[in-house]
Amino acid sequence: DQQVKQNSPSLSVQEGRISILNCDYTNSMFDYFLWYKKYPAEGPTFLISISSIKDKNEDGRFTVFLNKSAKHLSLHIVPSQPGDSAVYFCAAMGLGANSKLTFGKGITLSVRP
Amino acid sequence: DGGITQSPKYLFRKEGQNVTLSCEQNLNHDAMYWYRQDPGQGLRLIYYSQIVNDFQKGDIAEGYSVSREKKESFPLTVTSAQKNPTAFYLCASRKGTSGNYNEQFFGPGTRLTVL
Repeated sequence: DQQVKQNSPSLSVQEGRISILNCDYTNSMFDYFLWYKKYPAEGPTFLISISSIKDKNEDGRFTVFLNKSAKHLSLHIVPSQPGDSAVYFCAAMGLGANSKLTFGKGITLSVRP
Repeated sequence: DGGITQSPKYLFRKEGQNVTLSCEQNLNHDAMYWYRQDPGQGLRLIYYSQIVNDFQKGDIAEGYSVSREKKESFPLTVTSAQKNPTAFYLCASRKGTSGNYNEQFFGPGTRLTVL
């Protein structure tokens, strides 16, 4: 039972355009959401996060939007660059000291020069 | 430089042998985690530890064991009981377990191949 879903396995965009990566979740107890970027044969690197008390968080070219009523979040990358080509994982966690991260399956982003 | 190290990068073992994957961090983080990644899959939690000498099973703990004798070290043993051990193994750490420290930071991973 997948609690965090990234339904599109891949996305291809032109350099300079916007990349929109989507993520849906089913567990209403999730309170904090993170995006990680991963290159092949490397560990994921933390990108950006958002708390459920917010609906938007921005960091440079990266913006995460959260629609809590729809249980949906999205990562926007503007402008997209070839170096952004990687797998992007959405992750979610609830409150509490024992809370663990639940990851989606990832989206492979390809940015064409 | 502070960070998480995993060794070796690539590991080959024969079927039926136990193997231990190393994870060390010098970030002074309290919590440490082990995940495995399979092709087309997200990261799945194997074991985690929030404090020295304590650890809990994750979602797929069968066939694995861990220890946390030191704050900076969290080795993972893949035993012969693990039916599909070939995978990419990732270690992560987190500064604390309160709501102020939600981000986990990952090591470079170990690719284990069982022949």
